[in-house]
Amino acid sequence: GDSVTQMEGPVTLSEEAFLTINCTYTATGYPSLFWYVQYPGEGLQLLLKATKADDKGSNKGFEATYRKETTSFHLEKGSVQVSDSAVYFCALSDTKAAGNKLTFGGGTRVLVKP
Amino acid sequence: EAGVTQFPSHSVIEKGQTVTLRCDPISGHDNLYWYRRVMGKEIKFLLHFVKESKQDESGMPNNRFLAERTGGTYSTLKVQPAELEDSGVYFCASSQGNSGNEFFGPGTRLTVL
Repeated sequence: GDSVTQMEGPVTLSEEAFLTINCTYTATGYPSLFWYVQYPGEGLQLLLKATKADDKGSNKGFEATYRKETTSFHLEKGSVQVSDSAVYFCALSDTKAAGNKLTFGGGTRVLVKP
Repeated sequence: EAGVTQFPSHSVIEKGQTVTLRCDPISGHDNLYWYRRVMGKEIKFLLHFVKESKQDESGMPNNRFLAERTGGTYSTLKVQPAELEDSGVYFCASSQGNSGNEFFGPGTRLTVL
C-alpha cells in the first residue's frame, strides 16, 4: 500500500538557518503530495501541495518539488524564524482512488532557537 | 467562515468506559474524514463520509469504534469500550467535492487510563 517516510526529529536550528526535511513516498497510483504543519496547540494546516511530477509547491517561504524519479518531496526553507517551530507532516493522496484520503509520514518536530 | 471544530479538546477516561467525540465540518463540505495519531506515530486514516454515507471505513481498527454522520452534517466517533491503546489524538477533516484540500480540526486528545 501507499506509505510516506520522513526524517525523524527533532530538528533544532538557529534563526535564519536553512531547513530541509526529507520526505520520500511509495504509491501505486498517481499521488498528490502535501506538507501539513501543526503549530503548538493548533490543528493541522495545509502548508503547500503539488499535484504532478516536477510541480513546485510554495508558501510562507517554504518550497517542495515533486520528484517522481526519486519519489521525493523534500521541504525547504532558506531562512527559518522562531515562529516556524512546529511539527511538519508529509502526506500523499492517491488521486486515482476514491475519497482522496491522506497517508501521512510520522511527522518531524522543528525547533528554531533565537 | 468557521473552520472545522472538534469537541471535546481533551478527554480522560478509564479503560472500559465509553467516549464520544464530535466533529463539526465546514458548512457545505460533503466530505468528512476521521484520522488519529497514536503515541507520536504517523497520523492514520480511520474513515471517510460523503454526506451521511460511509465511503471508506477501511481504517477503523475494530468494532469498538462506531462513527456516524446523521443528516450529513456533524459526525460522532464513539469508542466503546475504550482500551489503553486507543489513547491518542483524533483529528477530523472536511473537504468540498474532489478538491483534495482537506481542512483539519484541532483534534481531540484522548487518554485512556
